[in-house]
Amino acid sequence: DSGVTQTPKHLITATGQRVTLRCSPRSGDLSVYWYQQSLDQGLQFLIQYYNGEERAKGNILERFSAQQFPDLHSELNLSSLELGDSALYFCASSARGGHSPLHFGNGTRLTVT
Amino acid sequence: GESVGLHLPTLSVQEGDNSIINCAYSNSASDYFIWYKQESGKGPQFIIDIRSNMDKRQGQRVTVLLNKTVKHLSLQIAATQPGDSAVYFCAENDNTDKLIFGTGTRLQVFP
Repeated sequence: DSGVTQTPKHLITATGQRVTLRCSPRSGDLSVYWYQQSLDQGLQFLIQYYNGEERAKGNILERFSAQQFPDLHSELNLSSLELGDSALYFCASSARGGHSPLHFGNGTRLTVT
Repeated sequence: GESVGLHLPTLSVQEGDNSIINCAYSNSASDYFIWYKQESGKGPQFIIDIRSNMDKRQGQRVTVLLNKTVKHLSLQIAATQPGDSAVYFCAENDNTDKLIFGTGTRLQVFP
């Protein structure tokens, strides 16, 4: 158990809809990362927060947004969903940022129909 | 695309043999590297990491080798077991706050 909690585990929704994925980092970790993993693909970095502030941005679509709250949990919002958004979305946390291991949750599987 | 890649998409080994999974990276500024193991239905699990001021680091049954001259990283698993079957990813940090992952190698262990 990595200590990172993601909810929900599964999400099925229709095109055009909006969903929110939630992540609770490991106790004490200040950095939260979001990654997208499509079928048989690697992990694509979306965005990182550190202690509530956006720190780094990857290939995140404008339809997607995220935030980290004062209690350090994070949410990833996906809107105007398309079929191609179907993927596993992983949250990870680390103590210090890029030069310490990221600890991953078990992901949210999003299916857009 | 991303700068981290893998030579072999699938590696099949016999139980008890040693496994070597390779990874090439293109960013010479990268100074921190991690290997992850991902089992079906789970998130990536940290295996071992190495900083660029080292060329070798050992863990329990695993060794990571870093060759900065040719920008190559490898993961060696000793006495491979069925439980080692998974997809293995290398990842690099280029002194920013993001970790870039390769496409992964599937390790299959047969009896």
